[in-house]
Amino acid sequence: KQEVTQIPAALSVPEGENLVLNCSFTDSAIYNLQWFRQDPGKGLTSLLLIQSSQREQTSGRLNASLDKSSGRSTLYIAASQPGDSATYLCAVNGGNQFYFGTGTSLTVIP
Amino acid sequence: DAGVIQSPRHEVTEMGQEVTLRCKPISGHDYLFWYRQTMMRGLELLIYFNNNVPIDDSGMPEDRFSAKMPNASFSTLKIQPSEPRDSAVYFCASRRTTGTSGNEQFFGPGTRLTVL
Repeated sequence: KQEVTQIPAALSVPEGENLVLNCSFTDSAIYNLQWFRQDPGKGLTSLLLIQSSQREQTSGRLNASLDKSSGRSTLYIAASQPGDSATYLCAVNGGNQFYFGTGTSLTVIP
Repeated sequence: DAGVIQSPRHEVTEMGQEVTLRCKPISGHDYLFWYRQTMMRGLELLIYFNNNVPIDDSGMPEDRFSAKMPNASFSTLKIQPSEPRDSAVYFCASRRTTGTSGNEQFFGPGTRLTVL
């Protein structure tokens, strides 16, 4: 069964700093990987989807990379803002199912 | 599109009562997923449907849980009887196999269930 790990579990950075969130998975046979953001008490908002054939995807200040062979993905957030504070989850699509990590709780300090 | 719609948003019930959660997926999406999220276990997949047919219900914790999808625009998750340990946020999500979204999964706002 696919296992997805996110490190660190929590991260606190000053505003303006660039940061990287990590996601690792055990089975490299994936269709795609999706990064989500979850605000407290809210649902999940899709940030980026990377297909298995892609190496990275960019949306504004966000850049997600995928290295299937090593079972890793990173989410890079440039020039962090207090509004970026949330929990970030990665989900690996192993066919029909998405397997979720436990998330990284990010706090950006003004 | 209104996105994935779930109702109710909050449900408080007493142990032993039946609970029914509802979901309307995004129009045109052929996959529907039910998840449960708790602090202890994170996000767990309970069951998913493809073209209204249940494909994998191995995540359903017990026989007290059941899910149906009578048509492409509606699904229910029922808990009978409910127990305090069922308290969690239940999410519904949908996706389309093909198209520009490229298998992107979209989540509803969730139903926060509290069983007293």
